Amino acid sequence: DAGITQSPRYKITETGRQVTLMCHQTWSHSYMFWYRQDLGHGLRLIYYSAAADITDKGEVPDGYVVSRSKTENFPLTLESATRSQTSVYFCASTSRDSAYEQYFGPGTRLTVT
Amino acid sequence: AQTVTQSQPEMSVQEAETVTLSCTYDTSESNYYLFWYKQPPSRQMILVIRQEAYKQQNATENRFSVNFQKAAKSFSLKISDSQLGDTAMYFCAFRGFQKLVFGTGTRLLVSP
Repeated sequence: DAGITQSPRYKITETGRQVTLMCHQTWSHSYMFWYRQDLGHGLRLIYYSAAADITDKGEVPDGYVVSRSKTENFPLTLESATRSQTSVYFCASTSRDSAYEQYFGPGTRLTVT
Repeated sequence: AQTVTQSQPEMSVQEAETVTLSCTYDTSESNYYLFWYKQPPSRQMILVIRQEAYKQQNATENRFSVNFQKAAKSFSLKISDSQLGDTAMYFCAFRGFQKLVFGTGTRLLVSP
């Protein structure tokens, strides 16, 4: 199906473990984004990418790593998960020529115990 | 840095009535876009309405309309003829060059 997908939808992991959240889009959008959603904070930008092999930090990048070897994929890795990274994570994408609208994936709920 | 403020954490409205959600923002940019997103219990982020800052005319999408006051940096959302399916979190968002900045959200409950 066309669109933007995230996997897994739910994940429970332990403190200190590495975990990778996957994001895949079928529109060939050049821009991709990762946000985290926490109560009282809305959505905050973690990292974004303007194109393959181009990434940049957002508002809350500490503890996260991203890569973008292919236009359609934008994985987010927590190298050593902490309880403060328990959150809902959203991936989004947009095209260079869009009227700035971003399209969101369904989200991944991550719990770090 | 841009900031977006939603001062109403929760609001309630009865079915068929009208409700207005408030949003203010702060920016030094002259060209930007403003959005309202809806997040129902399914967690999916759904774009409700979009406003280009250079347009004076307020955007309208069916029952949803905005009151955009550029000088006051205000961007409120009016929902007319509220329906039970409008129950959701509503996020105001600002986009300048590339990145979206979100407010903290307003939880709207529509009751029968």
